Amino acid sequence: QKEVEQNSGPLSVPEGAIASLNCTYSDRVSQSFFWYRQYSGKSPELIMSIYSNGDKEDGRFTAQLNKASQYVSLLIRDSQPSDSATYLCAVIGDDKIIFGKGTRLHILP
Amino acid sequence: DADVTQTPRNRITKTGKRIMLECSQTKGHDRMYWYRQDPGLGLRLIYYSFDVKDINKGEISDGYSVSRQAQAKFSLSLESAIPNQTALYFCATSPRPSYNTQYFGPGTRLTVL
Repeated sequence: QKEVEQNSGPLSVPEGAIASLNCTYSDRVSQSFFWYRQYSGKSPELIMSIYSNGDKEDGRFTAQLNKASQYVSLLIRDSQPSDSATYLCAVIGDDKIIFGKGTRLHILP
Repeated sequence: DADVTQTPRNRITKTGKRIMLECSQTKGHDRMYWYRQDPGLGLRLIYYSFDVKDINKGEISDGYSVSRQAQAKFSLSLESAIPNQTALYFCATSPRPSYNTQYFGPGTRLTVL
């Protein structure tokens, strides 16, 4: 059974600090990795995608991928109260998409 | 107007009833998906369709069926609803290649009594 694991949280981070979200996956042939943000009662929306090892930055967000260790992470710099949401990791491999259960992030004002 | 729409947005039904959830998109994407989301279980793929003639089972297809009436329309049916099908259902679309960025509809909250 291919799995994507995330700590369910809640992860509490002071406003202005860096929030670090982690995701591990079991399928070594996984090729594409995504982070989605989901506000309570709303639908998921894509915030980052990453396909190769290393870091990818987009504004305050940085995705990090390490295929050898089978983990992908999301860093949110200068955390804002509007970043409070559930963050879903999604992994694609062997033409299947699997979502993690999500990590709840709470930014403390 | 929203690119991906779902109807109804909320539905309460009884055990044994047939229910259809509908999804329409104006994004012109070939690929469409149905997910359910349950607290503590995350998003799970029910069915997906890469084009009108290509329909595939996902992780949890038992008890569900789908119909891809056109490129823009993808319906999910529960032939005989049961209480453990109470969940939040999302439709999503994506352009080629496989999966890529997924664009989600607003969701349908289904309660089976």
